[in-house]
Amino acid sequence: NAGVTQTPKFQVLKTGQSMTLQCAQDMNHEYMSWYRQDPGMGLRLIHYSVGAGITDQGEVPNGYNVSRSTTEDFPLRLLSAAPSQTSVYFCASSYLDRLNYGYTFGSGTRLTVV
Amino acid sequence: AQTVTQSQPEMSVQEAETVTLSCTYDTSESDYYLFWYKQPPSRQMILVIRQEAYKQQNATENRFSVNFQKAAKSFSLKISDSQLGDAAMYFCAYRTALQGGSEKLVFGKGTKLTVNP
Repeated sequence: NAGVTQTPKFQVLKTGQSMTLQCAQDMNHEYMSWYRQDPGMGLRLIHYSVGAGITDQGEVPNGYNVSRSTTEDFPLRLLSAAPSQTSVYFCASSYLDRLNYGYTFGSGTRLTVV
Repeated sequence: AQTVTQSQPEMSVQEAETVTLSCTYDTSESDYYLFWYKQPPSRQMILVIRQEAYKQQNATENRFSVNFQKAAKSFSLKISDSQLGDAAMYFCAYRTALQGGSEKLVFGKGTKLTVNP
């Protein structure tokens, strides 16, 4: 099993550009989510999904869109990149009925907006 | 809303010694899960240990153990016989046990552990 796969690993964007961060999991997890990690801030939840067709906002959703058309994929879209979105982004997934398992994380995407 | 606090931004330990990382949390729930994640320079988030709130017994995984004090809302991580490979950021995290609620992991801000040879 590949687990959670994130692409790309690194990306540099210019202010105003748009892009999509890809996330795929092969564990049949119902739950998928996106976090951003900033120095001294820990990980903060951007958006999450509890199943195909169902998404909801997390703590810091502004400037990001998500959709979930399949169980496996949960892309994160930056509509118009801003320097404040420079961060490391993690996708994570989990079963909803095995809460003690914690989350499985992808390897992260380092995004720089100039 | 739940919050997780790690009061030690940085810690250091000598190789082969023992170190304890602190974590406190705030919640009104009685049933939940607590985790410690390790993030080495590779950036990968690695689950170190987990604790179910309904279990009184402290979790142990090889050299890693926790001191779970439910009444005090404290969840510290003890690393015994520290190794150079233990150097990393460590994050404490909280997960609700409520089904159908707002599902997420709430993270502390992390503790950077340095292991000195």
